[in-house]
Amino acid sequence: EVQLVESGGGLVQPGGSLRLSCEPSGFTFSDHYMDWVRQAPGKGLEWVARSRNEANSYTTEYAASVKGRFTISRDASKNSLYLQMNSLRTEDTAVYYCARVSAAVPGADDCWGQGTLVTVSS
Amino acid sequence: DIQMTQSPSTLSASVGDRVTITCRASQSISSWLAWYEQKPGKAPKLLIYKASSLESGVPSRFSGSGSGTEFTLTISSLQPDDFATYYCQQYHSYPLTFGGGTKVEIK
Repeated sequence: EVQLVESGGGLVQPGGSLRLSCEPSGFTFSDHYMDWVRQAPGKGLEWVARSRNEANSYTTEYAASVKGRFTISRDASKNSLYLQMNSLRTEDTAVYYCARVSAAVPGADDCWGQGTLVTVSS
Repeated sequence: DIQMTQSPSTLSASVGDRVTITCRASQSISSWLAWYEQKPGKAPKLLIYKASSLESGVPSRFSGSGSGTEFTLTISSLQPDDFATYYCQQYHSYPLTFGGGTKVEIK
């Protein structure tokens, strides 16, 4: 069964840092592009970042709102996806979802984790 | 950036109704459009990809159509489990963008 489990969310002060993790299972992690998508309380979905697959050298893309502050990365040895979030702002408060992109490229997000809540507040 | 505009933002309907949601892209995205369903407190779930392809396991009452800049999601006969919020997403170019969502409520 394909599964994604996020962790690492919590309360952080403005200007602080947090690292989110996503543990995939049930599929070959290196074959797939992976996304982080967030949802502010009561709001819609916002794509945050993408890590391409191994065949595409794990290159990355970012939304303008997080570029230069957030970094998406993978650790193949630990079979994990990360989102390093620095210089956090109150507007980064959201549930952050890890999502697998389908094997077809370009592809949609065909499997999502349960989400982890990040609250940026003093 | 490609803007995705969904309409309506809220829709009231009854069980058994035929429901149509529209999504418009600010420029052509060919058929690179997905539809997701989200229920309160849950992660989104992929329903339709490439504008009209039904994701495995999704009931056949869901269908998608369109290409270029105009797309629709249709639920042929609304079921109690379908009351949720629906989002479109373009994956033609970066940044990937979502529509604002359509909440389907019980009439």
